[in-house]
Amino acid sequence: DAGVTQSPTHLIKTRGQQVTLRCSPKSGHDTVSWYQQALGQGPQFIFQYYEEEERQRGNFPDRFSGHQFPNYSSELNVNALLLGDSALYLCASSPGQGAGELFFGEGSRLTVL
Amino acid sequence: AQSVAQPEDQVNVAEGNPLTVKCTYSVSGNPYLFWYVQYPNRGLQFLLKYITGDNLVKGSYGFEAEFNKSQTSFHLKKPSALVSDSALYFCAVRDNGGSQGNLIFGKGTKLSVKP
Repeated sequence: DAGVTQSPTHLIKTRGQQVTLRCSPKSGHDTVSWYQQALGQGPQFIFQYYEEEERQRGNFPDRFSGHQFPNYSSELNVNALLLGDSALYLCASSPGQGAGELFFGEGSRLTVL
Repeated sequence: AQSVAQPEDQVNVAEGNPLTVKCTYSVSGNPYLFWYVQYPNRGLQFLLKYITGDNLVKGSYGFEAEFNKSQTSFHLKKPSALVSDSALYFCAVRDNGGSQGNLIFGKGTKLSVKP
């Protein structure tokens, strides 16, 4: 049973560019959340998708957007990249929006030069 | 607003000794608490959770955590540390004091277990 898979694992962009990160949830999970983890910090919630709609959003600007597909996979898009967007981006999935734990992928390491 | 505090940036323990990683929380409503572990350049792995029931929660890899409502704490413990336990540990609480909020993480505690 495959867990949460993310791609790409590493990528380098320059300021002003746009990036798309992808996530496939664990089998049987229909809810996907995205987190940003800056170096030396705990993960910060970006947003959550359920039934192809953004359900919750953290304190991130509109440059951060997402999408969820009918097969529950998800994308995170970041426009107009800033140096401060350099971080590990983590995708997490869960079965529904219940009280249980989230299952995390290995993350996508984004470096903005 | 919900929050989590991990007061120690780093905890050093000798192999075979007991370990404790501290976490305190602030929530309105019932707390839903979690511990995760992160190895270098990896994602987060779930260790254990407290939602309701017994205050002592047992989890993966021999870890356990004690929920203390009066002290608003949820400390992670292990009776005998292994070198392989060395990693970054995160405490988290569900936002909105309920079951459907996103997770709010502490800043993490680096655990170093020496042989």
